[in-house]
Amino acid sequence: GEDVEQSLFLSVREGDSSVINCTYTDSSSTYLYWYKQEPGAGLQLLTYIFSNMDMKQDQRLTVLLNKKDKHLSLRIADTQTGDSAIYFCAEFRGRGYQKVTFGIGTKLQVIP
Amino acid sequence: SAVISQKPSRDICQRGTSLTIQCQVDSQVTMMFWYRQQPGQSLTLIATANQGSEATYESGFVIDKFPISRPNLTFSTLTVSNMSPEDSSIYLCSVAREAYEQYFGPGTRLTVT
Repeated sequence: GEDVEQSLFLSVREGDSSVINCTYTDSSSTYLYWYKQEPGAGLQLLTYIFSNMDMKQDQRLTVLLNKKDKHLSLRIADTQTGDSAIYFCAEFRGRGYQKVTFGIGTKLQVIP
Repeated sequence: SAVISQKPSRDICQRGTSLTIQCQVDSQVTMMFWYRQQPGQSLTLIATANQGSEATYESGFVIDKFPISRPNLTFSTLTVSNMSPEDSSIYLCSVAREAYEQYFGPGTRLTVT
């Protein structure tokens, strides 16, 4: 299957950490992504992780991958109001028909 | 990454008409894709725009409804034909040099009345 699932909404206080979770079903996924979409804008590629890694850190962003459980998470440290956006999890299946499949997106609301 | 622009950024169209959306990238790219994002939904791939040949459409999308052109490695158009209110969506172009690393344009917000 090609399902990518995420919770719809997350609310955090400014300065706290945010953790956005995602599960996927395709064990042949080779890359997993986090995209950010601010209101009225296109998608910005935040970060991606190759399937043979279990963690990737980039400044305030930490991506954790549990390949056994097919679980991906994005942690945003010291969340700011500018982080308010919709965050999409996505996977790329490298074998066969190469395609990126997106989750429905998690809306992150940061409360000042 | 690449700088991607789309025109128009938004439009309001009457049912039965057609709209052509343009996607321009500032450097040559191997692949260009068109996605639809319906209100409150995720992104759905419409088709892969192939340079010099017909686009490759996903299940549920057909060339008569969504004709696509890609005359060169930096430009593509998507036409939404014979529009109905159900076509109201954001249409996004993405580009990639490798299939696993896609970058998106700002999108075109289409409202059909």
